[in-house]
Amino acid sequence: QVQLVQSGAEVKKPGASVKVSCKASGYTFSSHYMHWVRQAPGKGLEWMGTINPSGGRTSYAEKFQGRVTMTRDTSTRTVYMELSSLRSEDTAVYYCAREGFYYDSGSSTWDYWGQGTLVTVSS
Amino acid sequence: QSVLTQPPSVSGAPGQRVAISCTGSSSNIGAGYDVHWYQQLPGTAPKLLIYGNSNRPSGVPDRFSGSKSGTSASLAITGLQAEDEADYYCQSYDSSLSGSRVFGGGTKLTVL
Repeated sequence: QVQLVQSGAEVKKPGASVKVSCKASGYTFSSHYMHWVRQAPGKGLEWMGTINPSGGRTSYAEKFQGRVTMTRDTSTRTVYMELSSLRSEDTAVYYCAREGFYYDSGSSTWDYWGQGTLVTVSS
Repeated sequence: QSVLTQPPSVSGAPGQRVAISCTGSSSNIGAGYDVHWYQQLPGTAPKLLIYGNSNRPSGVPDRFSGSKSGTSASLAITGLQAEDEADYYCQSYDSSLSGSRVFGGGTKLTVL
């Protein structure tokens, strides 16, 4: 069965960087884009960007351009999201989510999600 | 401020029907991009509820249905049950923001 398992909670100081991992299993890793979505405490969902595990091409939300880097390691079936220059407003749960394609409707969206990783930014 | 607009909260008694609206614009829903809906139970990751405007993934009860018209979409839940109490999010794509997926602000459903 498809599983996305994320790394554990992190506490960082303002200005530091954080790297969150998402290990995939149960499907062909290179066949599905992976996305990152975050959720600040008590707030809604926010899309950060995506990576194509086949080739490593990325696309980032404008808000995070220059601060986020998404990478992948095909040998371990793991994708990574690194966010730099952290500030208190980056305190959030970060989710990885697999993009699945539905042939009946011709649409693609996120069909499997990781359990989330809490990143706390505090001095 | 979210690109897609949802009511902050809705409520209904068990067995009733509720609907959650999701209003966008000509650069997202109105441009023909699909709308998807997610259910988020407290303390858990979002779960796909409706994809491609009106389709249910395997395992989602037919009490949940989605529709889309013009620049808006709607999620309807019939036969409300206590376990439906959750946050619901609509999501689409916006052509004015390069490669950007966009969300509604979320709607808290309370089962009275």
